[in-house]
Amino acid sequence: DTGVSQDPRHKITKRGQNVTFRCDPISEHNRLYWYRQTLGQGPEFLTYFQNEAQLEKSRLLSDRFSAERPKGSFSTLEIQRTEQGDSAMYLCASSLSRGPDTIYFGEGSWLTVV
Amino acid sequence: GESVGLHLPTLSVQEGDNSIINCAYSNSASDYFIWYKQESGKGPQFIIDIRSNMDKRQGQRVTVLLNKTVKHLSLQIAATQPGDSAVYFCAENRGSGNTGKLIFGQGTTLQVKP
Repeated sequence: DTGVSQDPRHKITKRGQNVTFRCDPISEHNRLYWYRQTLGQGPEFLTYFQNEAQLEKSRLLSDRFSAERPKGSFSTLEIQRTEQGDSAMYLCASSLSRGPDTIYFGEGSWLTVV
Repeated sequence: GESVGLHLPTLSVQEGDNSIINCAYSNSASDYFIWYKQESGKGPQFIIDIRSNMDKRQGQRVTVLLNKTVKHLSLQIAATQPGDSAVYFCAENRGSGNTGKLIFGQGTTLQVKP
């Protein structure tokens, strides 16, 4: 499978715990995005990387959220001290950097905070 | 405020009929639009895109129409099949410098009756 890969697909955690999600983009895609989607809503942009540089962060990305892409390939999204409001699907997407190129999404990582 | 929205939350069609899903956007500076299909528990799947210098684009069984005058986008699905049942999102590229950051509408649920 050469699509965007996300792990884990599902995570249940207790409030206050830290969680980390991993994303492997389509190979040769140098742009990588994180989005969040809650039930009944469209995805909302969180942050975006071009290679290893994090170029934009949404206001939605509080201080408890941190994303990295250390070698310009895979990326991690960590949520510290999780809250029930963090329950959502976290989507990773990737694209090439030639203008507004097609953005391909992974299957998402479901987070449930209890 | 600026938003991307869909006219109807749910569209029900008979198998074999054509479906038309509509979307309104408010940012006249947006230059790239994408339609995604999302099945339950999965990530958004790219269907078709269109750039603002085009009025119409066709794919396999799908056509996207863009009317910049009234800031309206539509997705037409020919000979709708049960497998087309899903939530459909239009998304708008608002990233400065074509970063690919997308703004999504809330989605239209397409129900195909056999």
